Order: sequence, then C-alpha cells, then structure tokens
Amino acid sequence: QVQLQESGPGLVKPSETLSLTCTVSGGSISNFYWSWIRQPPGKGLEWIGYIYYSGSTSYNPSLKSRVTISVDTSKNQFSLKLSSVTAADTAVYYCARDILDSRGSRRGAFDIWGQGTMVAVS
Amino acid sequence: QSALTQPASVSGSPGQSITISCTGTSSDVGAYNYVSWYQQHPGKAPKLMIYDVSNRPSGVSSRFSGSKSGNTASLTISGLQAEDEADYFCSSYTRSISVIFGGGTKVTVL
Repeated sequence: QVQLQESGPGLVKPSETLSLTCTVSGGSISNFYWSWIRQPPGKGLEWIGYIYYSGSTSYNPSLKSRVTISVDTSKNQFSLKLSSVTAADTAVYYCARDILDSRGSRRGAFDIWGQGTMVAVS
Repeated sequence: QSALTQPASVSGSPGQSITISCTGTSSDVGAYNYVSWYQQHPGKAPKLMIYDVSNRPSGVSSRFSGSKSGNTASLTISGLQAEDEADYFCSSYTRSISVIFGGGTKVTVL
C-alpha cells in the first residue's frame, strides 16, 4: 500500500527557509494531487498547499508569498519550502494524498498521511 | 477565512452515541458536499473517517456516520468505545483557500 514519509531538518533558524521532502513508496506519484498540512503544537490543522504530479500548484493565500512546493517524479518525491520562518511556523508538518472524485478533481480530503515531522523555529 | 467551528470537547459513556458539530459558512460547508472528518490519536497522524459528508473509507467502522444540514456538518459516533477517545477534526473544500479545517474536538469516553 502507498506510504508517505517526511524528511528534513527538525530545527530551523528564524528568517531562514524550512525545507522538507515527502517520499512516496508503494505506489506512483503520478495522477494524484499531493498536499502539505501543518499542525502547531496543541492546535488545529492548516492546509499549506498542493502539487499535482504534473507540477501545477495551489497555495493557501495566507502563506502563498512564502511557500514553494515542487515535485520530482523520477524520485517519487515532492518537497516544501517555506521562507522567512518565524516561531509561528513551529509545527508538525504532514504530507498527504488528496482523494479525487470521479472526474479526477480534488474534493479536499486526504486519505493517506505521512507520520509527520516536527519542525521547530528557534 | 476563519476555521470551521467545532465544540472544544464532547464526552460520553461506553455504548452511548455522541455527535460533533462543524459549522462553516455558505462559502464552504454550505456550498459543497465535500466535508471530511479525521480522527487523531495523540502523537499520530490524522486518519480519514468520513469524506463527501457521509462516505466511509474502506476499513472504517460503521459506527461512524456523517451528515450535513445547511452550513453545519455533523459526525456521529454510535456505540462509543474506549478506542474512540481522540481528537476529531472536520474539513471542507472551499474555493478560496481550497481546504479549511475545524479547530478540533476532543472526545472523552467516560
């Protein structure tokens, strides 16, 4: 079955760029949308953005100026870069797979999640 | 756009039924039948329990059911069990942000 695994530094300095990678195993990255979602300690979930395997992206407007999501289909990976981080960006970062409807469109639901990786900004 | 509104906590005794509400607006919950619910145990990733308002993914217990009326969606857990104690988050598709989540509800089994 498809599994996701996040990787990257657990500590980032303020004003620097947070970089994470999600590796897809047990299946192909093709034909799906892939999202990044974060959860500050003790708080709720926030959708960061998605990338389609072809490279098209969409970002949360609240983070759009600082976010870049990219994909490497040859490695079955997609990545997140968040620039100019502050303490408010401290969170568990999850990668997840979007569920598609019968027309192949997103429905805003995520059926497979990585285990999450804690990133602290300090 | 603000997060969807959920009660902070809901509790029930084993065997009882509980319902968690998720209130949005006519731009998200009320506009699309794309409401999802997630269960999250401490230190674990969220698990999809309901999608498209009332559909259960394969492997999810039939004790979990979802519904929607207007701008409010609901998750009902029937026959409450100790293993159901967790945080529950709702989410909705929305054209402006794409996906918006609720603040989460802590379910306690008494």
